[in-house]
Formats: sequence, structure tokens, C-alpha cells
Amino acid sequence: GAVVSQHPSWVICKSGTSVKIECRSLDFQATTMFWYRQFPKQSLMLMATSNEGSKATYEQGVEKDKFLINHASLTLSTLTVTSAHPEDSSFYICSASRARRADTQYFGPGTRLTVL
Amino acid sequence: SQELEQSPQSLIVQEGKNLTINCTSSKTLYGLYWYKQKYGEGLIFLMMLQKGGEEKSHEKITAKLDEKKQQSSLHITASQPSHAGIYLCGADSSGTYKYIFGTGTRLKVLA
Repeated sequence: GAVVSQHPSWVICKSGTSVKIECRSLDFQATTMFWYRQFPKQSLMLMATSNEGSKATYEQGVEKDKFLINHASLTLSTLTVTSAHPEDSSFYICSASRARRADTQYFGPGTRLTVL
Repeated sequence: SQELEQSPQSLIVQEGKNLTINCTSSKTLYGLYWYKQKYGEGLIFLMMLQKGGEEKSHEKITAKLDEKKQQSSLHITASQPSHAGIYLCGADSSGTYKYIFGTGTRLKVLA
């Protein structure tokens, strides 16, 4: 149990376009979902925390207008990278938790975004 | 803010050798998680430690949390090429309900 999927697994887009990444909890209800970003050879950095039905909480330095997060249901959260630029190219990982706090998290397989 | 420092940053060992990875927190740990990641892939949960002095093992991997709950170690016995990857420690950032990750340790096992 506790499987989290992400779609797409990789995406290549042109600069200036928007890209949506989906994160789904397949067999449990995720009260909280987290979005992380990972640059090559670096650790994961938390971008934002989203609770179902409420606005996401963004970490310092993360532009909320650029990285739109929607957590419309207990099994789905989406991250939209708006007007993507090459510097947005990264590995994006989501995780889901049954609780509202940072309890045991279940991680998705990640989405590799390349912006040309 | 709480930080997790891992050491070493990278490690290359011969197959069959034992190795240890450390994770040191700047504050008391209330839940310490170990994950393994292959580059470009998601995280695989290994173990969770909560109590001071706790030790858990799974197959050839043993993780310990010290009594003061500020340091954890991950020990691999008789390493194999399948153990290669990036090992990350993660923790509930005390009092903030956020999750932080360590700096990561890249492990390469030579056959």
C-alpha cells in the first residue's frame, strides 16, 4: 500500500510555455502533499506544502505565481510551472502524507522537466 | 532552522566491504528517516527511527539513532553493487511540521 504516482515522468517543453505535473496517491487519502525540487547532485528542497482544500504554503524563495499548486482532492495535487524557463529545468518530486503534519511521507517517482 | 548534515558526501567501496553513513542534526530529532535514491528516480523508504538509542535492521542495512537523538548512522554490511545510489536522511523539522533532507551521500560499489 501507500503508492504515489507522478505524471508525466519526464517532459520537455519550450521556454515560455506552462507545464502541469500531477501527483496522485493511489491507495490512500493524502491529507497533505509536498512538492520538492532536486537539482543534479543535490538534495531535495521543499518547495511547498499543500493541504486538501486550502491554499498551498510556499517555502521562502519559491514564487507562488510561477509554481501553481492545486490540491483539489484527497488523492490529487498538481504543480503547474508557468512560463517555464531553462533555469526551471529540474527533477520535481511529490510526496503524500495521511496526516496534516510531516508524518511518514510516501514519495512519487519524480518528474524530470527540461525547458529548452 | 534545523539542518541535516551527512557524511561522507560520497563513498566508493569494493564489493563485500562494510560502510557507514552518518547524519547529524543541528537540533533534536523527532523522527529520522533513511531513504535510498537512484539518480533521476524517486525515493525508496528504508527505515524510520524515533526513540533515542533505537536500532533497526533490514537485510544488510542497519540504522541507529543515538541516545541524544541528534545523530543517526546507516551501516551496510558486505556491500553489493545493488546498494549503489544516493542515501538521504530526512526528518521532521522540529516544531514546524516541515520535512527536511540531509545533504545526501553518493555510494558507489565496485564489483
